[in-house]
Amino acid sequence: DARVTQTPRHKVTEMGQEVTMRCQPILGHNTVFWYRQTMMQGLELLAYFRNRAPLDDSGMPKDRFSAEMPDATLATLKIQPSEPRDSAVYFCASGLVLAGGPNVDTQYFGPGTRLTVL
Amino acid sequence: SQQGEEDPQALSIQEGENATMNCSYKTSINNLQWYRQNSGRGLVHLILIRSNEREKHSGRLRVTLDTSKKSSSLLITASRAADTASYFCATDWGGRRALTFGSGTRLQVQP
Repeated sequence: DARVTQTPRHKVTEMGQEVTMRCQPILGHNTVFWYRQTMMQGLELLAYFRNRAPLDDSGMPKDRFSAEMPDATLATLKIQPSEPRDSAVYFCASGLVLAGGPNVDTQYFGPGTRLTVL
Repeated sequence: SQQGEEDPQALSIQEGENATMNCSYKTSINNLQWYRQNSGRGLVHLILIRSNEREKHSGRLRVTLDTSKKSSSLLITASRAADTASYFCATDWGGRRALTFGSGTRLQVQP
């Protein structure tokens, strides 16, 4: 049963600390998405990778957030320094886009990382 | 923005009744998807309907798409308590390479 995994599931940290969230996409998927969900803003796209290359990170605050894919099995989202307003649930999702196919098809979501910045 | 807007924001029904949720969007789309999110969990894909389709079924789910009105509806028939969740529509539009999610409908099915 292939699933997207995320670690940690919960993270409580103090303002100013670095936070690293990790995601393992479903094996064989070539697209990875990072979303942030809050009550006020709903689900926001932060970054999007295809074949490990960043395609869209316009939703991400560049001064403190960074997203990378060191290899096809790992995506990371870092916040440095963290701020209380970063408190949210961060979701990773993966999908498969075939050559010549539509830009986006079904996305498979991980369970999320609940981040609390004090 | 292109963000879809679901209507109603919240819906409470009795088990066995049908639940209908609507989604409106602003610009032409390639496809529209519906996702479910149980409390404290990630989103789960339910159904995808392409812009050239008008209706699609999957089990107790029925999705319609009216591109002239830029709207879609999700019907859950014979609802169950386990259908209690938030439901989101998501659109893939124009050149944007990722989905834009709506604000969701919170469905409560009373046993």
